[in-house]
Amino acid sequence: EAQVTQNPRYLITVTGKKLTVTCSQNMNHEYMSWYRQDPGLGLRQIYYSMNVEVTDKGDVPEGYKVSRKEKRNFPLILESPSPNQTSLYFCASSWTGIQEKLFFGSGTQLSVL
Amino acid sequence: AQKVTQAQTEISVVEKEDVTLDCVYETRDTTYYLFWYKQPPSGELVFLIRRNSFDEQNEISGRYSWNFQKSTSSFNFTITASQVVDSAVYFCALIPFSGGYNKLIFGAGTRLAVHP
Repeated sequence: EAQVTQNPRYLITVTGKKLTVTCSQNMNHEYMSWYRQDPGLGLRQIYYSMNVEVTDKGDVPEGYKVSRKEKRNFPLILESPSPNQTSLYFCASSWTGIQEKLFFGSGTQLSVL
Repeated sequence: AQKVTQAQTEISVVEKEDVTLDCVYETRDTTYYLFWYKQPPSGELVFLIRRNSFDEQNEISGRYSWNFQKSTSSFNFTITASQVVDSAVYFCALIPFSGGYNKLIFGAGTRLAVHP
């Protein structure tokens, strides 16, 4: 089944404790991206990747890191999480770019205490 | 400024009613894409439709229809004979040409509740 898999689904952590949210897609998509969803703000793009080893900042990259060492994986890293990063996070992928239909993961609800 | 406005935060209807979700966008670009995504209670976002700025033809897909009007910068979404399964948050989104189609701008979303 074609899908984007995010883990974990829920995560509670404390300020400053490094964490990684994993994202993997099995559709051989070139393009992958991360979003955060906050009430009243819709989704905002954090980082995106056009291909392996190619990543770029979205609208709200501060406090986040990403890497794209393999085509299928695009982990989101919070090196020192803070409470303002409490949010619902989505990974998405598409064949070649954001202008195409995006396939989304199920989301990761992160709470930073 | 480039933005998407979904003025309706929440809509509540009874099953079989028709409902229209409004979307107004702002961009100076003449070339852009517009999207609608659905977020059911399970959480993941599901693609519904994409429209490019050169195609103003309205589209119908079953009970869903979309009305794209460049003159009013609107891309409204209508559900005919709504069903409980239509309950979800619906997002309208814009991708302007400037920036190389790398920026996806979402509206705040409209939560639709369809009651039996």
